Amino acid sequence: AQSVTQLGSHVSVSEGALVLLRCNYSSSVPPYLFWYVQYPNQGLQLLLKYTSAATLVKGINGFEAEFKKSETSFHLTKPSAHMSDAAEYFCAVRMRGNTGKLIFGQGTTLQVKP
Amino acid sequence: DTEVTQTPKHLVMGMTNKKSLKCEQHMGHRAMYWYKQKAKKPPELMFVYSYEKLSINESVPSRFSPECPNSSLLNLHLHALQPEDSALYLCASSHPGDRLAGGSTDTQYFGPGTRLTVL
Repeated sequence: AQSVTQLGSHVSVSEGALVLLRCNYSSSVPPYLFWYVQYPNQGLQLLLKYTSAATLVKGINGFEAEFKKSETSFHLTKPSAHMSDAAEYFCAVRMRGNTGKLIFGQGTTLQVKP
Repeated sequence: DTEVTQTPKHLVMGMTNKKSLKCEQHMGHRAMYWYKQKAKKPPELMFVYSYEKLSINESVPSRFSPECPNSSLLNLHLHALQPEDSALYLCASSHPGDRLAGGSTDTQYFGPGTRLTVL
């Protein structure tokens, strides 16, 4: 069965520091990959997605992610953290040919310290 | 516009009540989803509708009854719920994709959710 692993349930960075949130998937066929952000008491907002075009994907709010097939990874980065980035981040995969089921990782809480 | 709206924002109900959650989108999407999310957990898929027909039911108890009256609306009817059903209920929508081509990127766009409390 496909699965998604987010290493680190809680990540803390200082404002202005690099943000790195890790995501690994298990699949022999590259899936579609997504990063969502969830602010408290809100729904999920799409940050970016990988759909087999460019391996480096740029998203909203200065985030980007790089698809590495050899490492089955899709880590999320941002060069400089802002206080407003504090939220819950979910990595998700959807297998090709699937009618719509997203498989989510367990989530990573990003804390940004002043 | 990538907006999915959900009403109500908050709902408190007793175990004997009947209530409904509503979801609406005007993006022309023909796939709509219900998810349940407990605190500090990822969303769990409950139902998927594709072209207004139920395509996935993730073994959800019958006290949850989905309905898709048209391509823009999705309802979730609630009856005889249990306190453990308290959660954030999220609606999402997407293009269903071309099955002959093996599916599309199917990006799912989520609504803000309904916070449900069952007493």
